[in-house]
Amino acid sequence: SQQGEEDPQALGIQEGENATMNCSYKTSINNLQWYRQNSGRGLVHLILIRSNEREKHSGRLRVTLDTSKKSSSLLITASRAADTASYFCATVPRGYQKVTFGTGTKLQVIP
Amino acid sequence: DTAVSQTPKYLVTQMGNDKSIKCEQNLGHDTMYWYKQDSKKFLKIMFSYNNKELIINETVPNRFSPKSPDKAHLNLHINSLELGDSAVYFCASSQPPTGTSGRETQYFGPGTRLLVL
Repeated sequence: SQQGEEDPQALGIQEGENATMNCSYKTSINNLQWYRQNSGRGLVHLILIRSNEREKHSGRLRVTLDTSKKSSSLLITASRAADTASYFCATVPRGYQKVTFGTGTKLQVIP
Repeated sequence: DTAVSQTPKYLVTQMGNDKSIKCEQNLGHDTMYWYKQDSKKFLKIMFSYNNKELIINETVPNRFSPKSPDKAHLNLHINSLELGDSAVYFCASSQPPTGTSGRETQYFGPGTRLLVL
């Protein structure tokens, strides 16, 4: 079954608020990545966190990884309307060469 | 200056036809992929090539045949199209092959929307 599952499936917030989305996975991983997909576009890589890292920042993005719980969270601070998109987590299981994508969280930021 | 490009952008065709989608990357990557994204936005890998050699072949009907003439190109040919083939097909590339720590960032093309009638 699907390696990564995101929660919530959809999220609507006001501009300026923070958005948090979570990803759970099932097997040991080498790393976990977050991607954004704007409507009608391809996926864009946002951030990669390795299995030995617990937290990583990039601009307004903050990613955490808890390998004991097999979960990760993506926090977008001070959200903007332009952040409206679908967000996917992707995992690279240990010993495998393929990246497996989660089910995605659809974020809408309302101006 | 597009890093990963796909042609065509849209494809509407009748059931039973044969069609091809082309992908080119100018990033100098060794590894390329084809993904299928269904109407529920579920993204599933289909194939992966590393330096023209097939390294991942998921459970995909053999009506789908990838071809990599060189490491910058990965084309997807689909025979006898079926209604269930309707989806968005994404090409991606990375360097080096996924599984190597810290360098698995994938660069996606814009997608090809296929609609089979």
